[in-house]
Amino acid sequence: GAVVSQHPSRVICKSGTSVKIECRSLDFQATTMFWYRQFPKQSLMLMATSNEGSKATYEQGVEKDKFLINHASLTLSTLTVTSAHPEDSSFYICSAQKWEARYSNQPQHFGDGTRLSIL
Amino acid sequence: AQKITQTQPGMFVQEKEAVTLDCTYDTSDPSYGLFWYKQPSSGEMIFLIYQGSYDQQNATEGRYSLNFQKARKSANLVISASQLGDSAMYFCAMREVGGGADGLTFGKGTHLIIQP
Repeated sequence: GAVVSQHPSRVICKSGTSVKIECRSLDFQATTMFWYRQFPKQSLMLMATSNEGSKATYEQGVEKDKFLINHASLTLSTLTVTSAHPEDSSFYICSAQKWEARYSNQPQHFGDGTRLSIL
Repeated sequence: AQKITQTQPGMFVQEKEAVTLDCTYDTSDPSYGLFWYKQPSSGEMIFLIYQGSYDQQNATEGRYSLNFQKARKSANLVISASQLGDSAMYFCAMREVGGGADGLTFGKGTHLIIQP
């Protein structure tokens, strides 16, 4: 089955640090990747959609300058949390989708997530 | 209004019993897909089953089946012969194709605990 790798799995860092999270599709080309955020005991909330070679589309209320997304290739998207603060602590999880998935029963494939803790 | 509603925050079920997890949705898009994902305590999202809005038959995948009632806008997940390993959070999600956005909208989830 399709595999999505997310790295790192856990980050603990000081307030003010910028943190980069990578999301890779290992065995398929992902024209679209998604970034979600999940607070403890809550649901996943879509933060942004990134299409290879173009600017990311952010959901309402998500700060573009705080959460920088780059999707430079068909297999890699990165999320950079800039100048992170304790309120940015959360579980961040990416997913990847093949181009034809929208019109078929192919699901989004998720990475294993990154637990970010800002001290 | 919530697009995905899961009304059961938590459920306790005896091992080997069948369990139904409720999901109702709201959309005006005629073309959409419904998904169920399982999230163990370790955090990864495991895809279980998919139902397309134009699918005539209910989806099945091993012990998982989806009771799709389009007129009622419900897509309940049925797990037959539950196992201890089924204990996890379960999320219902929707992808609205017509809107052009592919991101999933998730419900709040149901925490399922299987008891021996």
